[in-house]
Amino acid sequence: EIVLTQSPGTLSLSPGERATLSCRASQSVSSSYLAWYQQKPGQAPRLLIYGASSRATGIPDRFSGSGSGTDFTLTISRLEPEDFAVYYCQQYGSSPVTFGQGTKVEIK
Amino acid sequence: EVQLVESGGGLVQPGGSLRLSCAASGFTFSSYWMHWVRQAPGKGLVWVSRINSDGSSTSYADSVKGRFTISRDNAKNTLYLQMNSLRAEDTAVYYCAREGGRGYDILTGYTSGYYFDYWGQGTLVTVSS
Repeated sequence: EIVLTQSPGTLSLSPGERATLSCRASQSVSSSYLAWYQQKPGQAPRLLIYGASSRATGIPDRFSGSGSGTDFTLTISRLEPEDFAVYYCQQYGSSPVTFGQGTKVEIK
Repeated sequence: EVQLVESGGGLVQPGGSLRLSCAASGFTFSSYWMHWVRQAPGKGLVWVSRINSDGSSTSYADSVKGRFTISRDNAKNTLYLQMNSLRAEDTAVYYCAREGGRGYDILTGYTSGYYFDYWGQGTLVTVSS
């Protein structure tokens, strides 16, 4: 199965700053079948990005995804207070689908 | 508004059984493939099982194969997960999730995987003596 490694484990930033989250796959992710989710404490995950770069319905344009092959990035252009959360990447180009271990974006 | 509400979690002894339910509303349940995904305390997300729209096809993670059974009742807009022979490592919050889209193997054309566009709030299953 494809192993996804997210870095950094924790990102300490201030509101208004730019956040860059990395997701690296152990083998190429077919057709850029990669999604990103946001999860806040005690809440369900929320789909942000699918197909590596397509924003899900209702997701603000400060969230953007990029990458292909084995290296993918989620960028939050200007952090809002509600963006501090854990972010997971997920690949769906190979069975079984797998998730990364998460990156926590915390307030500095 | 799409809503998924899980229930049925609780404390169970190793070797025991539980049945989880997920009540769906706000969309045409019978048109969607549905999934269970779990999250152990403090850990990441792990896909558990999926069922197609009419219930005729299912698949499971290796870790639960032969112990868990996914099913659905489209008349009741409800998804189920029957969990038998539970182990301590099954302790987790269990989420039901709606399939948002899928990937395809470029060689075979078969589904390679899926992503999830709506999730429930989850139900906690604790396996402990």
